[in-house]
Amino acid sequence: RKEVEQDPGPFNVPEGATVAFNCTYSNSASQSFFWYRQDCRKEPKLLMSVYSSGNEDGRFTAQLNRASQYISLLIRDSKLSDSATYLCAVLYSSASKIIFGSGTRLSIRP
Amino acid sequence: SQTIHQWPATLVQPVGSPLSLECTVEGTSNPNLYWYRQAAGRGLQLLFYSVGIGQISSEVPQNLSASRPQDRQFILSSKKLLLSDSGFYLCAWSVRGRGINSPLHFGNGTRLTVT
Repeated sequence: RKEVEQDPGPFNVPEGATVAFNCTYSNSASQSFFWYRQDCRKEPKLLMSVYSSGNEDGRFTAQLNRASQYISLLIRDSKLSDSATYLCAVLYSSASKIIFGSGTRLSIRP
Repeated sequence: SQTIHQWPATLVQPVGSPLSLECTVEGTSNPNLYWYRQAAGRGLQLLFYSVGIGQISSEVPQNLSASRPQDRQFILSSKKLLLSDSGFYLCAWSVRGRGINSPLHFGNGTRLTVT
């Protein structure tokens, strides 16, 4: 089983729709969690950190469920510019290493 | 502010040739440093990470090696490239310290094609 797993998609949704991704992790010792956005042939860029109480940044909401060992990303009122691959990342702070999921492709259609 | 420089942006190398990719970070001290590889259409694979000068942790057995000769410099090397070494190589840094919710910040990446 992979340490961090995501549904690869692609998710193809109309502009204005709400879309949600989940990411599961296997190591309960995981301490920090992040969502990244990666555009084609570019480096990943931090979208948001995921806090235990959940957090929101504009149209984006991140949640953490430690009991079930998953994090989620919700995008509301999706825009064409949201089309990208979304990567979740898990930090094992005892080892300072960060493991990424394989990414979920999102395509927003007009 | 902190910046990370990675070069070259693209590289085409024949099988069996050596490789050296360099990454430097500015504007911070004692960073954690990372090398990842992304094969075409795939996720990020952690190759090496370092929490200090001369301290390298290897995640995946391969014909690559990493070195950290200075605090903010991280080098990825190979003595003989394989076709399977082709990919998008990304250097990244984060703030060092236990319990710090510190994300990674990536360089622009090097796209390596082994022919």
